[in-house]
Amino acid sequence: GAVVSQHPSRVICKSGTSVKIECRSLDFQATTMFWYRQFPKQSLMLMATSNEGSKATYEQGVEKDKFLINHASLTLSTLTVTSAHPEDSSFYICSAPGGAQETQYFGPGTRLLVL
Amino acid sequence: QKEVEQDPGPLSVPEGAIVSLNCTYSNSAFQYFMWYRQYSRKGPELLMYTYSSGNKEDGRFTAQVDKSSKYISLFIRDSQPSDSATYLCATSTGYQKVTFGTGTKLQVIP
Repeated sequence: GAVVSQHPSRVICKSGTSVKIECRSLDFQATTMFWYRQFPKQSLMLMATSNEGSKATYEQGVEKDKFLINHASLTLSTLTVTSAHPEDSSFYICSAPGGAQETQYFGPGTRLLVL
Repeated sequence: QKEVEQDPGPLSVPEGAIVSLNCTYSNSAFQYFMWYRQYSRKGPELLMYTYSSGNKEDGRFTAQVDKSSKYISLFIRDSQPSDSATYLCATSTGYQKVTFGTGTKLQVIP
């Protein structure tokens, strides 16, 4: 099946710094990618939809200036958490549309810990 | 009220048992129904996909959708320790606006 990778898998940073997370589709092209955040014992929450060649679409309540998304190519989307704070600590997962309608291929996730 | 409700568990069963996982939803416009499996510290992977109502079987897994009662189920036959994971139900009206349940943590004890 299609593979989506994420890098890094885990990152620890100091409060106030910025962190960049990469999401790549390894064997297919993705004009659209999705970014989710998952807190412990909570469901996946869609943060934004990344569109190649255009601006990302953010969900209500997600600060676009804090969570910068760039879809640089048909196989790469990046999420930058700017001026990270401890409350940004979470599991961030990206995905791309799957073979069947409404399904998605998920990346392995990135665990962010902000100290 | 959440759009998709799912008991978080944990659910512990002995190896070989039949497992029943369930979700309820409130939006009658949902047409697409999925089950994802998520191992600890990993991304979800698609298990089952159903459009509209009905049953779908794939090996030891059976997905059921009852739109009249807004109830979706996943059954696992002959459960194995390797089935231990969190199972997320997901629904969508289309256009990739997918709503996920909180997930049910399943532990299959050898």
